[in-house]
Amino acid sequence: DVKVTQSSRYLVKRTGEKVFLECVQDMDHENMFWYRQDPGLGLRLIYFSYDVKMKEKGDIPEGYSVSREKKERFSLILESASTNQTSMYLCASSPRSWAGGDEQFFGPGTRLTVL
Amino acid sequence: LAKTTQPISMDSYEGQEVNITCSHNNIATNDYITWYQQFPSQGPRFIIQGYKTKVTNEVASLFIPADRKSSTLSLPRVSLSDTAVYYCLVTGSGQAGTALIFGKGTTLSVSS
Repeated sequence: DVKVTQSSRYLVKRTGEKVFLECVQDMDHENMFWYRQDPGLGLRLIYFSYDVKMKEKGDIPEGYSVSREKKERFSLILESASTNQTSMYLCASSPRSWAGGDEQFFGPGTRLTVL
Repeated sequence: LAKTTQPISMDSYEGQEVNITCSHNNIATNDYITWYQQFPSQGPRFIIQGYKTKVTNEVASLFIPADRKSSTLSLPRVSLSDTAVYYCLVTGSGQAGTALIFGKGTTLSVSS
């Protein structure tokens, strides 16, 4: 079974802190994604990566950056956390390189609260 | 951009067939339609995917008309455990940063 793991299920940080959310997949997938999920808004894509060191902005990249130094690991970074970044963050991976129709495998999510 | 529209919520009873329709008027030639299921405190889980006509697996069926401007997820004989949020997703290729679009989801409530 494909496994996507996220470093924390719950995280509480203070405004202005630098926050790292880590995601690891074990199936050698090329594509990795970061979404946030908010009530009434569904899932929104923050960033995705289709290869090591490659990244593309999604719909809502402002306030976030990402890092992909190894194929299995994709990190989401909040340089200076703000209260409007309180959300559920979901990581996903998919097996092919930027082709429509790929199934995405999601991690369990990290619920981040910024105080 | 092929954004999607689906009902916010639906109610059903155990044993009934449930059909959830998704509208995607601006779907592009290379786009696929994918449905995901999400339970509380979990990440979404793939249900079914199609390009045109009908696709069926052990969980659901997906009906896509010839113009591909909508699709219908059909869940046969639902049970209480099918209570979840269902997302319609249009995925395309070659459009960096814009091709992964989720609908807002349909909350299905199944009662006994």
